[in-house]
Amino acid sequence: EIVMTQSPATLSVSPGERATLSCRASQSVSSNLAWYQQKPGQAPRLLIYGASTRATGIPARFSGSGSGTEFTLTISSLQSEDFAVYYCQQYNNWPPLYTFGQGTKLEIK
Amino acid sequence: QVQLQESGPGLVKPSQTLSLTCTVSGGSISSGSYYWSWIRQPAGKGLEWIGRIYTSGSTNYNPSLKSRVTISVDTSKNQFSLKLSSVTAADTAVYYCARDLGSGWYFFDYWGQGTLVTVSS
Repeated sequence: EIVMTQSPATLSVSPGERATLSCRASQSVSSNLAWYQQKPGQAPRLLIYGASTRATGIPARFSGSGSGTEFTLTISSLQSEDFAVYYCQQYNNWPPLYTFGQGTKLEIK
Repeated sequence: QVQLQESGPGLVKPSQTLSLTCTVSGGSISSGSYYWSWIRQPAGKGLEWIGRIYTSGSTNYNPSLKSRVTISVDTSKNQFSLKLSSVTAADTAVYYCARDLGSGWYFFDYWGQGTLVTVSS
């Protein structure tokens, strides 16, 4: 099973600043990676898929990069609504298995 | 706009079977090439994929839960369902149903709001 490890567990950033979140896979997942945002009491929201493609309606300040085992989610200028928990997720073709990272909590500094 | 809504008992006794249904609106569950999944999240913890069903009815399950999980679809009601047998307190979680992007992109773009299931006597 591919294990996804996110770092840091908690990231404190001031509004208007840049945030960089990392996700590492225990083996290559090519570009089969997504990022989600989850706010308390809500379902996750898809932000990025295919490692770097923004989902429909996602602001341009969210960007994803990486391939293989190292991935990054960058939020260029943090807005108040961006403070949340972020998860990465990979998909393995065979056997079919979706696995998530443990999450990074982005909090206001 | 596709919408998903989970329903089912919020309290299940240990050793019994957890049963949830996801009702899809805003589109037919049998149209397009989508997988429909169940995902759970214990309080304060991360997300765990449970399994999925294709519009044809074929299923895939997380190996860690495979022996206890059954996912089925009822296209006439535009619903798919989850059964998880022999539950314990460790199965207490918010359960989400979700749909993937389709076209070979196995990431979840539509989610239900989630339903809390507590396993307790």
